[in-house]
This record gives sequence, C-alpha cells and structure tokens, in this order.
Amino acid sequence: GEDVEQSLFLSVREGDSSVINCTYTDSSSTYLYWYKQEPGAGLQLLTYIFSNMDMKQDQRLTVLLNKKDKHLSLRIADTQTGDSAIYFCAERDPMDSSYKLIFGSGTRLLVRP
Amino acid sequence: EAQVTQNPRYLITVTGKKLTVTCSQNMNHEYMSWYRQDPGLGLRQIYYSMNVEVTDKGDVPEGYKVSRKEKRNFPLILESPSPNQTSLYFCASSLAPNQPQHFGDGTRLSIL
Repeated sequence: GEDVEQSLFLSVREGDSSVINCTYTDSSSTYLYWYKQEPGAGLQLLTYIFSNMDMKQDQRLTVLLNKKDKHLSLRIADTQTGDSAIYFCAERDPMDSSYKLIFGSGTRLLVRP
Repeated sequence: EAQVTQNPRYLITVTGKKLTVTCSQNMNHEYMSWYRQDPGLGLRQIYYSMNVEVTDKGDVPEGYKVSRKEKRNFPLILESPSPNQTSLYFCASSLAPNQPQHFGDGTRLSIL
C-alpha cells in the first residue's frame, strides 16, 4: 500500500532556510500536500502540488517534486520563530474512491532565535 | 470566516458511555471526512461522506458511526467507547472530493 515517510525533527536558526523532506511510494499520478500543525491546533493546508509539476512557489514556500525518486520537499525561506510547528506531507491517490489522504508521521521544525 | 468547527475540543469519559463529536462546516463543501491521529501511526481515515446521505467506511471504521443528514454537519458517534478509541480526532471537508481538504482544530478524546 501507499506509504509516506518524513524525517522526525529539524532545527534551524531564525532567518535561515528550512528544507523538510518527504518520500512517497504511490507510483500512480497523485496529489501531494503540505500541512502545518501548531500545538493545540488543527492541520493548516500550506500548499499542494500535482505530480505532473516539478515546482510550486507561494511567497516564502517552495515545493520541489522529484517524481522519478518520489521525493517531495518543502523549503521555507527566511524561517521565523512562528514557523515552529509539525509539518505533515500527505498524498492522495486519485484512483482511491475514498479520496483519503495518506499522511507521513510529521517533521517537527524548531526555529532557534 | 470559512472554517470547520468541531465540538467538544476535549472530552474525558468512561468506557461504554455513548458520545458524539460534532463537525460543522460553513463552506458548502460536499466532501467530509473523519480521521484519527495516533502517535507513530499518523492520521487514518475513519469514515467519509461524498454528499448528503452518502457515507462510507474508511480504513478504521470499527466502533464508530456517522451520519450526514445535512450538508454542513457530519457527526462522529461512538456508541460504546473503549479505551483504544482514546485519540485525537480531526474532521475535514473539501468543496469536492478531489479538492484540497480543510481540517478542524481537533477533538482530544480520553476513554477511561
């Protein structure tokens, strides 16, 4: 079945760029998402990309997709302390009739002042 | 403000006492879904609904029921809760099934 994997932890200094990585296994065309979860809050949709795209940029966020390696990354430019949160990568198989999202276990980003 | 609202946010209860977690969205979304989040297991889909009166099982439906009588509401019902249903629950909705899903703030349930 599908699987999504992420590293568990990333620590960066304020003002640096953060790169959060994700790998997925689904070989069919798919949608890929990045969600942010702050303590006590729900999942906030940050951005998404379809697997026929290589890159998507939205303000400080850049998503890069390497379809051959099934590797997705989220780059946050000029990382701020408010970016500290857990970031989830998720994929959705368009052939799955439940339209469910398959989530990774999340990467905890800590931004040091 | 467009949002998905869950209630309650926190609940501690005992085994066997029926409970309902409500979910309401104000965006006229067709698709709604429930997930549970557990350490080491990520988020797993419990039930989903394509539209009013159309619901179906997700990956972990045992012990849960849902209903979709109105487009905006999608309650999650635990008829006889057990400790293994202690978890963080999220409701999500999207305009259509193939559109990005928006999540509520979560409901933390503890079943003693």
